[in-house]
Amino acid sequence: EDQVTQSPEALRLQEGESSSLNCSYTVSGLRGLFWYRQDPGKGPEFLFTLYSAGEEKEKERLKATLTKKESFLHITAPKPEDSATYLCAVSFRGFKTIFGAGTRLFVKA
Amino acid sequence: EAGVAQSPRYKIIEKRQSVAFWCNPISGHATLYWYQQILGQGPKLLIQFQNNGVVDDSQLPKDRFSAERLKGVDSTLKIQPAKLEDSAVYLCASSLDSGPGRRTEAFFGQGTRLTVV
Repeated sequence: EDQVTQSPEALRLQEGESSSLNCSYTVSGLRGLFWYRQDPGKGPEFLFTLYSAGEEKEKERLKATLTKKESFLHITAPKPEDSATYLCAVSFRGFKTIFGAGTRLFVKA
Repeated sequence: EAGVAQSPRYKIIEKRQSVAFWCNPISGHATLYWYQQILGQGPKLLIQFQNNGVVDDSQLPKDRFSAERLKGVDSTLKIQPAKLEDSAVYLCASSLDSGPGRRTEAFFGQGTRLTVV
């Protein structure tokens, strides 16, 4: 069954405490793995696209990596403004797209 | 560059009534998506258009939901009749994708929050 699973569901960090979010997927014919950030009351905002195992992308305090079955979003020295829900989406077999349920990140000052 | 525009932002209706949502994608984007996002869950794809044509509507409840994309640009999503479980945020998104190869990122609108009472 085609599936995208994110963990943990929620993560509470102190400011400056680095951690990682996980997105695991069971699909065939990967066409792209996407990370989005969603703030309350807003639509998802694009962060990264990854296409091949071994690929990495980085922006400010965020770094996304991809293996054949999962992706990690590493957050280095987070700040309170990084608090949001982080969503992973997988596009596969032509036009299919599935989103994970998201990880709610809370960063305390 | 203007983003994806959606209206209305909020809508409250009674069950069994009908409702319509409108979306204007980013100019030049071939692909348009409608997603349903229930509180605490990730977005669920309802329908995907590539230009004028539907490429995926496998999760659209076709007995009550319908969607069209006018001249490959604007789109409307309709629910008739609405049920309590349709209460959710309806998100429209668009992307440059013009084929089934490598996919590119989607740009989302603010969404329409629907409450069915």
